[in-house]
Amino acid sequence: QVQLVQSGTDMKKPGASVKVSCKASGYVFTTYTIHWVRQAPGQRLEWMGFINAATGHTKYSQKFQDRVTFTRDTSANTADMELNSLRSEDTAVYYCSRGNRYYDMYHFDYWGQGTLVTVSS
Amino acid sequence: SYELTQPPSVSVSPGQTARITCSGAQLPKQFTSWYRQKPGQAPVLVIYKDTQRPSGIPERFSGSISGTTVTLTISGVQTEDEADFYCQSTDSISSSMVFGGGTKLTVL
Repeated sequence: QVQLVQSGTDMKKPGASVKVSCKASGYVFTTYTIHWVRQAPGQRLEWMGFINAATGHTKYSQKFQDRVTFTRDTSANTADMELNSLRSEDTAVYYCSRGNRYYDMYHFDYWGQGTLVTVSS
Repeated sequence: SYELTQPPSVSVSPGQTARITCSGAQLPKQFTSWYRQKPGQAPVLVIYKDTQRPSGIPERFSGSISGTTVTLTISGVQTEDEADFYCQSTDSISSSMVFGGGTKLTVL
């Protein structure tokens, strides 16, 4: 069965960087995109962007494009999200999800369990 | 920036029909998906491409579209359906995905 398993809870100081990992199994990793979505406490879901697992092509939300980097390792079936210059507003649960594409439209059929990142001095 | 608008809350009694709306200018041309999220859990896809239901999602979940509004309908609501529901679509101008603000479904 399809599974996305994420790395564990992390705590960082303002100005630091954080990397969240997502390991995929149960499907051919390179046939889908991996999207990253975050959710601050009590807030809506917020799309951060995606990486094409086959080509490595990335698309970042304009809000994050100066601070975030997505990578993938096709030999390990993993995708990583690194967010730099952290501030308290980045405290959130970060999810990876599998993107199903139809032209330039996506829906997300499987999700990781989420990774809580806390930014605090 | 492009926005999807949902009502903050919807309340129904068990067995009734719940309708949750999502409005956006591009919805007639961009597919919409719906996700259910229970407290402390990851979202779960319940409707995609406006009206399609993934395998494993009960038939009481359905989607429809009329003009710039898409609607998630839950027939015969059960107490286990209590959750936050989010719509998601595409901003074709920026090629970015967008989520609505979420609707809290309360089953009284």
